[in-house]
Amino acid sequence: AQKITQTQPGMFVQEKEAVTLDCTYDTSDPSYGLFWYKQPSSGEMIFLIYQGSYDQQNATEGRYSLNFQKARKSANLVISASQLGDSAMYFCAMRPKTSYDKVIFGPGTSLSVIP
Amino acid sequence: EAGVAQSPRYKIIEKRQSVAFWCNPISGHATLYWYQQILGQGPKLLIQFQNNGVVDDSQLPKDRFSAERLKGVDSTLKIQPAKLEDSAVYLCASSTQSGANVLTFGAGSRLTVL
Repeated sequence: AQKITQTQPGMFVQEKEAVTLDCTYDTSDPSYGLFWYKQPSSGEMIFLIYQGSYDQQNATEGRYSLNFQKARKSANLVISASQLGDSAMYFCAMRPKTSYDKVIFGPGTSLSVIP
Repeated sequence: EAGVAQSPRYKIIEKRQSVAFWCNPISGHATLYWYQQILGQGPKLLIQFQNNGVVDDSQLPKDRFSAERLKGVDSTLKIQPAKLEDSAVYLCASSTQSGANVLTFGAGSRLTVL
């Protein structure tokens, strides 16, 4: 069965520091996509970054990068130079290619950026 | 481009009453998803449509929840009768069928069942 695990319910980081949010996943599909979404207190889900399972390079989008370790089935999100506006819930998600593109989400990590 | 539209944003009902949520996806997005997000948890997929056909509804409580997507565009999610545990945010999302298939979410409909 496909599953996403995020073991850090809450994280704190000092403003301007980098932080890593952990995500591990379980799937038997050889091909899949991994996503990170941000959900501020206002409630909207904001797409941050995508990594395909066959991508050779780790994905980067501005201050966000994805540390993808396929053999370990981990897809950690790294946020560099944290800003106060980064305080939010962060969700890791997976789309196994053979499961009608069903997208499943992890339980989330709450990030608080301290001034 | 216009985003995913959802209504109503907020709804308060008493248990055993009924409620309906509406979603209009991004134009051209073939796939539409309804997720339930209980406070403090990640979104749980209720139902997924590909055009106007259901491709996954394995976690939809079919005794009380129903959903349809007429003409492969708008979708409605209905709960009848509602229970206290249905209090949650109902998120609609849509995606294309190409590339990364990134989900674009609506603002959500927050349901409180008293």
